Amino acid sequence: KQEVTQIPAALSVPEGENLVLNCSFTDSAIYNLQWFRQDPGKGLTSLLLIQSSQREQTSGRLNASLDKSSGRSTLYIAASQPGDSATYLCAVKSGNQFYFGTGTSLTVIP
Amino acid sequence: EAGVTQSPTHLIKTRGQQATLRCSPISGHTSVYWYQQALGLGLQFLLWYDEGEERNRGNFPPRFSGRQFPNYSSELNVNALELEDSALYLCASSFRTGYEQYFGPGTRLTVT
Repeated sequence: KQEVTQIPAALSVPEGENLVLNCSFTDSAIYNLQWFRQDPGKGLTSLLLIQSSQREQTSGRLNASLDKSSGRSTLYIAASQPGDSATYLCAVKSGNQFYFGTGTSLTVIP
Repeated sequence: EAGVTQSPTHLIKTRGQQATLRCSPISGHTSVYWYQQALGLGLQFLLWYDEGEERNRGNFPPRFSGRQFPNYSSELNVNALELEDSALYLCASSFRTGYEQYFGPGTRLTVT
Protein backbone atom coordinates (compact mmCIF):
# COMPACT_ATOMS: atom_id res chain seq x y z
CA LYS A 1 0.00 0.00 0.00
CA GLN A 2 1.27 3.46 -0.93
CA GLU A 3 2.27 5.73 1.96
CA VAL A 4 2.97 9.44 1.55
CA THR A 5 5.01 11.32 4.14
CA GLN A 6 5.72 15.01 4.49
CA ILE A 7 8.50 16.26 6.72
CA PRO A 8 8.64 18.59 8.56
CA ALA A 9 5.08 18.80 9.86
CA ALA A 10 5.57 22.50 10.55
CA LEU A 11 8.01 25.14 9.35
CA SER A 12 8.46 28.78 10.30
CA VAL A 13 10.66 31.10 8.22
CA PRO A 14 11.27 34.85 7.96
CA GLU A 15 9.88 36.66 4.93
CA GLY A 16 12.13 36.58 1.88
CA GLU A 17 13.72 33.21 2.54
CA ASN A 18 13.82 30.48 -0.08
CA LEU A 19 12.50 27.19 1.27
CA VAL A 20 12.01 23.55 0.34
CA LEU A 21 9.14 21.29 1.34
CA ASN A 22 9.57 17.53 1.10
CA CYS A 23 7.24 14.72 0.07
CA SER A 24 8.18 11.03 0.15
CA PHE A 25 6.25 8.04 -1.17
CA THR A 26 6.92 4.35 -0.69
CA ASP A 27 5.84 2.92 -4.07
CA SER A 28 7.54 4.42 -7.10
CA ALA A 29 4.77 3.20 -9.42
CA ILE A 30 2.90 6.47 -9.49
CA TYR A 31 0.85 8.01 -12.29
CA ASN A 32 1.35 11.61 -11.18
CA LEU A 33 2.02 13.81 -8.16
CA GLN A 34 0.22 17.04 -7.32
CA TRP A 35 1.04 19.80 -4.82
CA PHE A 36 -1.73 21.77 -3.11
CA ARG A 37 -2.07 24.48 -0.50
CA GLN A 38 -4.86 24.57 2.03
CA ASP A 39 -5.83 27.63 4.03
CA PRO A 40 -7.51 27.06 7.42
CA GLY A 41 -11.05 25.71 7.08
CA LYS A 42 -10.92 25.91 3.30
CA GLY A 43 -10.64 23.56 0.35
CA LEU A 44 -7.45 22.84 -1.51
CA THR A 45 -5.85 25.03 -4.16
CA SER A 46 -3.86 23.25 -6.83
CA LEU A 47 -0.28 24.47 -7.22
CA LEU A 48 1.51 22.10 -9.57
CA LEU A 49 0.95 18.72 -11.21
CA ILE A 50 3.87 16.55 -12.29
CA GLN A 51 3.22 13.54 -14.51
CA SER A 52 5.32 10.44 -13.84
CA SER A 53 7.33 11.04 -17.01
CA GLN A 54 8.30 14.58 -15.96
CA ARG A 55 11.13 15.70 -13.68
CA GLU A 56 9.88 19.14 -12.70
CA GLN A 57 7.23 21.81 -13.12
CA THR A 58 7.43 25.54 -12.49
CA SER A 59 4.81 28.19 -11.80
CA GLY A 60 5.94 31.65 -10.78
CA ARG A 61 7.93 31.41 -7.54
CA LEU A 62 7.15 27.69 -7.22
CA ASN A 63 9.18 24.80 -8.58
CA ALA A 64 8.33 21.16 -7.97
CA SER A 65 10.65 18.28 -8.76
CA LEU A 66 10.00 14.57 -8.94
CA ASP A 67 12.44 11.68 -8.49
CA LYS A 68 10.40 8.51 -8.85
CA SER A 69 13.31 6.15 -8.31
CA SER A 70 13.99 7.56 -4.85
CA GLY A 71 10.31 8.16 -4.08
CA ARG A 72 10.71 11.87 -3.48
CA SER A 73 9.31 15.20 -4.55
CA THR A 74 10.29 18.66 -3.41
CA LEU A 75 8.42 21.95 -3.62
CA TYR A 76 10.74 24.94 -3.78
CA ILE A 77 9.29 28.34 -2.85
CA ALA A 78 11.43 31.33 -3.74
CA ALA A 79 11.39 34.64 -1.86
CA SER A 80 8.67 33.58 0.59
CA GLN A 81 5.90 36.02 1.52
CA PRO A 82 3.46 36.14 4.46
CA GLY A 83 0.68 35.22 2.00
CA ASP A 84 2.43 31.89 1.44
CA SER A 85 1.47 30.87 4.99
CA ALA A 86 -0.74 27.78 4.64
CA THR A 87 -0.60 24.00 4.84
CA TYR A 88 1.04 22.40 1.82
CA LEU A 89 -0.07 18.93 0.79
CA CYS A 90 1.28 16.52 -1.77
CA ALA A 91 -0.80 13.76 -3.33
CA VAL A 92 0.04 10.84 -5.59
CA LYS A 93 -2.14 8.83 -7.95
CA SER A 94 -1.03 5.23 -7.59
CA GLY A 95 -3.02 2.50 -9.26
CA ASN A 96 -6.57 3.76 -9.15
CA GLN A 97 -6.17 5.28 -5.71
CA PHE A 98 -5.20 8.73 -4.50
CA TYR A 99 -2.94 9.16 -1.49
CA PHE A 100 -2.31 12.39 0.39
CA GLY A 101 0.45 13.33 2.78
CA THR A 102 -0.50 14.90 6.11
CA GLY A 103 0.98 18.22 5.05
CA THR A 104 3.55 20.78 6.10
CA SER A 105 2.20 23.83 7.92
CA LEU A 106 4.19 26.84 6.74
CA THR A 107 4.33 30.17 8.56
CA VAL A 108 6.15 33.06 6.92
CA ILE A 109 6.97 35.74 9.47
CA PRO A 110 6.87 39.36 8.24
CA GLU B 1 -15.15 30.24 -15.14
CA ALA B 2 -16.96 28.88 -12.09
CA GLY B 3 -15.02 26.51 -9.86
CA VAL B 4 -16.16 23.33 -8.19
CA THR B 5 -19.19 24.01 -6.02
CA GLN B 6 -20.48 21.97 -3.10
CA SER B 7 -23.68 22.10 -1.11
CA PRO B 8 -24.58 22.46 1.62
CA THR B 9 -21.72 24.31 3.32
CA HIS B 10 -22.61 22.85 6.69
CA LEU B 11 -24.75 19.89 7.62
CA ILE B 12 -25.75 18.77 11.08
CA LYS B 13 -27.24 15.32 11.53
CA THR B 14 -27.87 12.96 14.37
CA ARG B 15 -26.43 9.50 14.70
CA GLY B 16 -28.25 6.94 12.54
CA GLN B 17 -29.59 9.46 10.03
CA GLN B 18 -28.61 9.75 6.38
CA ALA B 19 -26.67 12.63 4.81
CA THR B 20 -26.59 13.69 1.16
CA LEU B 21 -23.82 15.94 -0.11
CA ARG B 22 -23.71 17.44 -3.59
CA CYS B 23 -20.95 18.52 -5.93
CA SER B 24 -20.93 20.34 -9.27
CA PRO B 25 -17.69 20.02 -11.22
CA ILE B 26 -16.04 22.66 -13.34
CA SER B 27 -17.75 22.89 -16.73
CA GLY B 28 -16.14 20.39 -19.12
CA HIS B 29 -14.75 18.18 -16.38
CA THR B 30 -15.94 14.57 -16.44
CA SER B 31 -14.12 13.11 -13.44
CA VAL B 32 -15.29 13.73 -9.87
CA TYR B 33 -13.52 12.66 -6.69
CA TRP B 34 -14.70 12.62 -3.09
CA TYR B 35 -12.42 12.85 -0.04
CA GLN B 36 -12.93 12.88 3.70
CA GLN B 37 -10.78 15.12 5.88
CA ALA B 38 -11.34 14.18 9.51
CA LEU B 39 -9.54 15.98 12.29
CA GLY B 40 -6.07 14.59 12.73
CA LEU B 41 -6.39 12.02 9.94
CA GLY B 42 -5.56 13.94 6.78
CA LEU B 43 -7.34 13.52 3.48
CA GLN B 44 -8.66 10.06 2.75
CA PHE B 45 -9.81 9.05 -0.74
CA LEU B 46 -13.47 8.02 -0.77
CA LEU B 47 -14.84 7.66 -4.30
CA TRP B 48 -13.94 8.39 -7.91
CA TYR B 49 -16.46 8.80 -10.73
CA ASP B 50 -15.69 9.21 -14.39
CA GLU B 51 -18.18 9.47 -17.24
CA GLY B 52 -20.98 8.36 -14.95
CA GLU B 53 -19.24 5.23 -13.70
CA GLU B 54 -17.68 4.50 -10.33
CA ARG B 55 -14.00 3.87 -11.09
CA ASN B 56 -12.77 3.09 -7.63
CA ARG B 57 -13.43 3.57 -3.95
CA GLY B 58 -11.20 3.97 -0.93
CA ASN B 59 -11.19 1.90 2.23
CA PHE B 60 -14.61 2.97 3.49
CA PRO B 61 -17.67 0.85 4.42
CA PRO B 62 -20.54 0.38 1.93
CA ARG B 63 -22.72 2.88 3.80
CA PHE B 64 -20.66 5.49 1.95
CA SER B 65 -22.02 5.55 -1.58
CA GLY B 66 -22.67 7.96 -4.36
CA ARG B 67 -23.40 8.50 -7.99
CA GLN B 68 -22.57 10.73 -10.91
CA PHE B 69 -25.34 12.21 -13.01
CA PRO B 70 -25.40 12.68 -16.81
CA ASN B 71 -24.39 16.33 -16.36
CA TYR B 72 -21.34 15.05 -14.39
CA SER B 73 -22.50 16.48 -11.06
CA SER B 74 -22.24 14.05 -8.19
CA GLU B 75 -23.86 13.11 -4.94
CA LEU B 76 -22.32 11.45 -1.88
CA ASN B 77 -24.64 9.58 0.45
CA VAL B 78 -23.70 8.47 3.93
CA ASN B 79 -26.17 6.12 5.59
CA ALA B 80 -26.47 5.16 9.25
CA LEU B 81 -24.33 8.09 10.34
CA GLU B 82 -21.80 7.52 13.11
CA LEU B 83 -20.10 10.13 15.28
CA GLU B 84 -16.76 9.47 13.58
CA ASP B 85 -18.25 10.48 10.22
CA SER B 86 -17.96 14.09 11.38
CA ALA B 87 -15.48 15.64 8.97
CA LEU B 88 -14.94 18.02 6.09
CA TYR B 89 -16.00 16.31 2.85
CA LEU B 90 -14.19 17.63 -0.19
CA CYS B 91 -15.10 17.15 -3.80
CA ALA B 92 -12.67 17.63 -6.67
CA SER B 93 -13.00 17.47 -10.44
CA SER B 94 -10.60 17.06 -13.34
CA PHE B 95 -10.87 17.38 -17.10
CA ARG B 96 -10.07 13.70 -17.56
CA THR B 97 -8.46 11.05 -15.43
CA GLY B 98 -4.86 11.94 -14.67
CA TYR B 99 -5.33 15.65 -15.15
CA GLU B 100 -5.02 18.27 -12.41
CA GLN B 101 -7.65 18.02 -9.69
CA TYR B 102 -9.51 21.17 -8.62
CA PHE B 103 -11.20 21.20 -5.26
CA GLY B 104 -14.42 22.70 -3.98
CA PRO B 105 -14.73 24.47 -0.61
CA GLY B 106 -16.12 21.38 1.11
CA THR B 107 -19.13 20.42 3.19
CA ARG B 108 -18.62 20.23 6.92
CA LEU B 109 -20.69 17.37 8.31
CA THR B 110 -21.29 17.24 12.03
CA VAL B 111 -22.89 14.15 13.53
CA THR B 112 -24.30 14.53 17.06
